Formats: sequence, C-alpha cells, structure tokens
Amino acid sequence: GAVVSQHPSWVICKSGTSVKIECRSLDFQATTMFWYRQFPKQSLMLMATSNEGSKATYEQGVEKDKFLINHASLTLSTLTVTSAHPEDSSFYICSAQRGGSGTGELFFGEGSRLTVL
Amino acid sequence: SQQGEEDPQALSIQEGENATMNCSYKTSINNLQWYRQNSGRGLVHLILIRSNEREKHSGRLRVTLDTSKKSSSLLITASRAADTASYFCATLSYNTDKLIFGTGTRLQVFP
Repeated sequence: GAVVSQHPSWVICKSGTSVKIECRSLDFQATTMFWYRQFPKQSLMLMATSNEGSKATYEQGVEKDKFLINHASLTLSTLTVTSAHPEDSSFYICSAQRGGSGTGELFFGEGSRLTVL
Repeated sequence: SQQGEEDPQALSIQEGENATMNCSYKTSINNLQWYRQNSGRGLVHLILIRSNEREKHSGRLRVTLDTSKKSSSLLITASRAADTASYFCATLSYNTDKLIFGTGTRLQVFP
C-alpha cells in the first residue's frame, strides 16, 4: 500500500518556540493532504486541507496564523505550530490522498506527538 | 467538525467473541470508511463502503450501511487479542474531499 511518512514522530519544545512537522507521501504524488489533531482518547479533528501550490483551507475555529501549512511540492506538506503553548500539546496526524478528487481513500502518517513544556 | 457518533464508546470482550460497533452520521455521504488505530499510532484503513452498497466483507470484518437511517456497523468476528485498538468510522460527503471522523470505539479483547 501507499506510504505516508511523518517527521518527527515526537517532539518536546519549550513554550513560545515554533515546531515544524513534515508529512511526505513516499511512493505517490498527493495534490491534497489533510492535517488532523487528536487529543488523548478522543477522535481526530480535521484542522485544514493542504493543497499543493495554493493556500491551505482551514476548518472553523482553527487559527491559520497559529498553524502554518505549506504544501510546496506534490510529496510534502508541512505544519508549523508557531509560538507553541502547552495547550497545543497534542497528537498531529496527516493524511495524503492518492488519486483524483472524490476517490476517498486516504493514507495516514504515523502521527507526531507534540509536547509543549 | 465531527460527523459521526459511535457506540459503544468502549467495548470489552473475550477472545473468540464477536465485536459490533455502530456509527451514526448526519448528512448525505459518498462513502463511509472504517479505520483502526492502535494506541499512539497512525490510522489503518480497514474497509470502505459506498453509499449504494448495503454490506461488505473483508476477512473477519463485516460492514453494513443503512443510508435511510444514516448508520453503519462494523462487526469483527472471532476476535483476537491483537484486535485491541480504537476503531473509527469516517464519512466522505459529496462535493468534498474531507474525511470526517466519528467519536470512536475503544475495543479491548482479553485473551
């Protein structure tokens, strides 16, 4: 199956610093990637849709200046948590869509656990 | 936004028993998918059922879809300890590529 790689798998940072998480589709091109956030024992909440070559589309309530998304190539999307605070501590998961729009099947990365001290 | 509500929230069974999880959603869908997540890990796609399908099988998995009731069920037969995980339904609506996840069911299978 298709492989999506996330890096880093875990990161600990100090409050006020910025953290970048990478999401790569290793064996296919993905014009669309999605970023989710998951709190412990909860479901995945969609944060934003990342579109190659254009601005990301953010879900209601997600601060676009706080969570910067860049999708500069067909195999890489990055999520930067700017000026991180303890409440940003969470599990961040990306997914990449293979194939055209509406095909539905997404391939997920292994997630990145962010802990902000 | 969260689309699906799943029940039960948690389920504990013995190995060999069947596990049934239910998912309800709110809007019209293109398809519904089930995913599995081991603790602290990413998601694994289990099965996809389209809106014009009523039942689908894959190994020990059986998924049903009732679009009139906006509900789906996932049945895992002859469960194993290795099936212990969280299971999520996720819906894809028409005219969107967004996959919206349900609340999830935490399944524990005791050996």
